[in-house]
Amino acid sequence: SQTIHQWPATLVQPVGSPLSLECTVEGTSNPNLYWYRQAAGRGLQLLFYSIGIDQISSEVPQNLSASRPQDRQFILSSKKLLLSDSGFYLCAWNDRLGNTIYFGEGSWLTVV
Amino acid sequence: AQKVTQAQTEISVVEKEDVTLDCVYETRDTTYYLFWYKQPPSGELVFLIRRNSFDEQNEISGRYSWNFQKSTSSFNFTITASQVVDSAVYFCALSEAGGGNKLTFGTGTQLKVEL
Repeated sequence: SQTIHQWPATLVQPVGSPLSLECTVEGTSNPNLYWYRQAAGRGLQLLFYSIGIDQISSEVPQNLSASRPQDRQFILSSKKLLLSDSGFYLCAWNDRLGNTIYFGEGSWLTVV
Repeated sequence: AQKVTQAQTEISVVEKEDVTLDCVYETRDTTYYLFWYKQPPSGELVFLIRRNSFDEQNEISGRYSWNFQKSTSSFNFTITASQVVDSAVYFCALSEAGGGNKLTFGTGTQLKVEL
């Protein structure tokens, strides 16, 4: 069966520091991969999605970037964090045959 | 552009009551998918159901049921005999077939089930 994992689960970072959140999917090939952010107040916003290695689309202008160095690995990064980057980040995937999107456990980021 | 509206911000019920969570959507596509996800306090989004636009049959899964009505662009979710473990934020979401499977979420409904 397919599984998705992301880490770290919780992160407290100072303003101006870098960020790296990692997500991996197991049990499938060529998945679509997504990064969502949930800011305080619970709305979910799509940040990036990827249909293949090095194929990444950004949905909103921001201080973050994403990379997909391997088929089942998706990384969310920042060179210098802002206070406004605080939130709950969710990685997600679906396969090319189905449309159901499954989410990872999420990563809580607090920028101080 | 697609849009999902969950007008109910928060609902409180007493255990064993039935509760319906409303979801209204907007899309120009004729082929689309509707979803419900549950977000317990731990934060993880748990998939509950997917319905495609060509299937208007209502669905029941245990205490959960979903009513899809294209005529009113609604996809409502009912929990029968609610339990404390049902307390969570519930999200309705939409993806268009030609939109790369990207989900547009509603703002969520916080359900509190009390003893």
